[in-house]
Amino acid sequence: GAVVSQHPSWVICKSGTSVKIECRSLDFQATTMFWYRQFPKQSLMLMATSNEGSKATYEQGVEKDKFLINHASLTLSTLTVTSAHPEDSSFYICSAIAGGGTDTQYFGPGTRLTVL
Amino acid sequence: GENVEQHPSTLSVQEGDSAVIKCTYSDSASNYFPWYKQELGKRPQLIIDIRSNVGEKKDQRIAVTLNKTAKHFSLHITETQPEDSAVYFCAASKGGNNRLAFGKGNQVVVIP
Repeated sequence: GAVVSQHPSWVICKSGTSVKIECRSLDFQATTMFWYRQFPKQSLMLMATSNEGSKATYEQGVEKDKFLINHASLTLSTLTVTSAHPEDSSFYICSAIAGGGTDTQYFGPGTRLTVL
Repeated sequence: GENVEQHPSTLSVQEGDSAVIKCTYSDSASNYFPWYKQELGKRPQLIIDIRSNVGEKKDQRIAVTLNKTAKHFSLHITETQPEDSAVYFCAASKGGNNRLAFGKGNQVVVIP
C-alpha cells in the first residue's frame, strides 16, 4: 500500500515552455502533498505544501507564479513549471501524507526535468 | 524553523561492519523522526522512523535511537551489505501534516 506515482518520469523541453508534472496517490487519499526539488548530490529542498482544495503554501524564495501548484482532488496534485529555463533543470519529487493523524510521507519516483 | 544537521557526510565501511549516522535537530517541538534511503536517481524510501515517545526502535538490521534531551537521533545499520550503499537522509517534523526538515544526507559506501 501507500504508492505514489509521478508522470512523466523525465522530460526535456525548450527554454520558455511550460511543463506540467502530475503526482498521484494510487491507493490512499492524500490530504497533503509536498513538492521538492533536488539538485545532484544535494538534499531535498521543499518548494511548497499542497492541501486539497486550498492554495499551496510556498517556501521562502520559491516563486508561486513560476511554480504553479494545483491540488484539485485527494489523489492528484500537479506542479507546472512556467516559462522554464535551464536553471530550472532538476529532479522534482512529490510526497503525500494519508492524513488521519499519520505522519509518514510517501515519495513519488521523481521527474527529471531538463531545459535546453 | 527546524534545522537538521547530519554527520558525517560520507561514510565507508567494510561489509559486515556496522554503520552509524547521527543527526541533530533544533526544534524541541519536533516529535517525528524518519530515515530515508535514496539510491541514485530513485525516490527516497522510508526505512525506519521513530516518534518522541519512544527512545529506540529496531527493524532487523536497522535501528534508530532518539535522545530528546540532547536533541539528536541516530541510525544504526548492523552487518552491512553492499546493497546498503546509498544516500541516507534524516528528517524531523512536528508530525501530522507538518513539513519535514531534511538533513543534507550521508553517502554510505559498503566495501565488499
